[in-house]
Order: sequence, then C-alpha cells, then structure tokens
Amino acid sequence: AQTVTQSQPEMSVQEAETVTLSCTYDTSESNYYLFWYKQPPSRQMILVIRQEAYKQQNATENRFSVNFQKAAKSFSLKISDSQLGDTAMYFCAFMKGSVLSRLTFGEGTQLTVNP
Amino acid sequence: DTAVSQTPKYLVTQMGNDKSIKCEQNLGHDTMYWYKQDSKKFLKIMFSYNNKELIINETVPNRFSPKSPDKAHLNLHINSLELGDSAVYFCASSHLGGPGELFFGEGSRLTVL
Repeated sequence: AQTVTQSQPEMSVQEAETVTLSCTYDTSESNYYLFWYKQPPSRQMILVIRQEAYKQQNATENRFSVNFQKAAKSFSLKISDSQLGDTAMYFCAFMKGSVLSRLTFGEGTQLTVNP
Repeated sequence: DTAVSQTPKYLVTQMGNDKSIKCEQNLGHDTMYWYKQDSKKFLKIMFSYNNKELIINETVPNRFSPKSPDKAHLNLHINSLELGDSAVYFCASSHLGGPGELFFGEGSRLTVL
C-alpha cells in the first residue's frame, strides 16, 4: 500500500517570502502521479499542482513549484511571494497510474501567511 | 456553474437517524468518489464508482451505502448514525485512467449529536 507523509503539521511565513512544504511517499510503483491540494477555510479542495512520475522536469504553476526527487521519493512544494490568500491546509497526495487507483493523502500541513 | 455539487452542505442530526448526502457533477467524468475527512483533517477514500459500477469499497461499515443512479450522480446514505460518523464528506469526480486529478465538491459537514 502507498503511504504519504507530511512531517510538518504547521508552518508560517511572512507575506512576500518563500516557503517550502515537505512530502515523502512510499511506493513500489513506477507509474504514478503526485499532487498538492489546498484547502482554505472555505473547505473547498483545490488542486495546486500535479506531477507525473515519468517526467523529470519539475512542475510549476505561477508562484507554485515542486521539487520532485523520484529516487528519494520526495515531493516538496515551494510557494514564492507568499500571499495572505495562500493561508490554507496543504495536502500532498499520491495516485497510482493504473485504472483502479485512488488518491491517497498525507496528513496535511497548515500554512499561515502573516502580514 | 458548480462542477461538483453536494447537498446539503451542513447536516445536524441525532444518533440513530438515517441521512443522505447527494452529489452531482457536470464535468462529464466517468468516475465518482466519496472521501471522509475526520476531525484531524485526514482524508480517506470510502467508495468509488465508474459508470455506475462500484470499483472501490474501502473498509466502511455496512451502515454506509452509496448509490449511483447514473455516472453524473453519486449519493451516500447512512443508516443508524453514530457519533463517530461526524465528519466532512467530500464527493469528487475524475476520468478513470486519465491524468489523475480529482475535482472535489465543497464538502458536507455532518454532525451527529
């Protein structure tokens, strides 16, 4: 079974600064996807960024980028120029690249952006 | 238009009652899911349906019964509610075998008194 671990329950950052959230996972699969989801106080789950395991290039979406280290099974999220609206719970998630797969989530990291 | 919509958003009920949560998606996806988020914010899959067929059924009490009348709808019925059922229940949808991301509804907060 796949496991996803987020070792930082809480983090804080000053507005406009950069913060990195950590995620490690354990799998024997070679084909899979990794995701970061954001859950603001509104409760809505919002996809932040996605990485296919077969791609060596790290995914980026505007201020959000990942550092995907496949051999180390590490998938960290970097948020640049943090904004107050980035305050949320961030979940790292794993999905096998097979038909009957499901999204397995980490425990989450509560990020607070301070003014 | 909301892509994945759940009703109701909030539900407060007494132990022993039966309740249902409805979910509809207008994204044309073929797969729908129910996830449970507990008080510690941990998200765990409960069920998944593909084209009205149950494909994932985690270890969930028999009191929970999903129903998918068509591929755009997935409802969750819970019998004999218990205190431990209090949680936020999320519906989600995706394309099976597709790029992988799930699109979530806004969640339904169930409180059992």
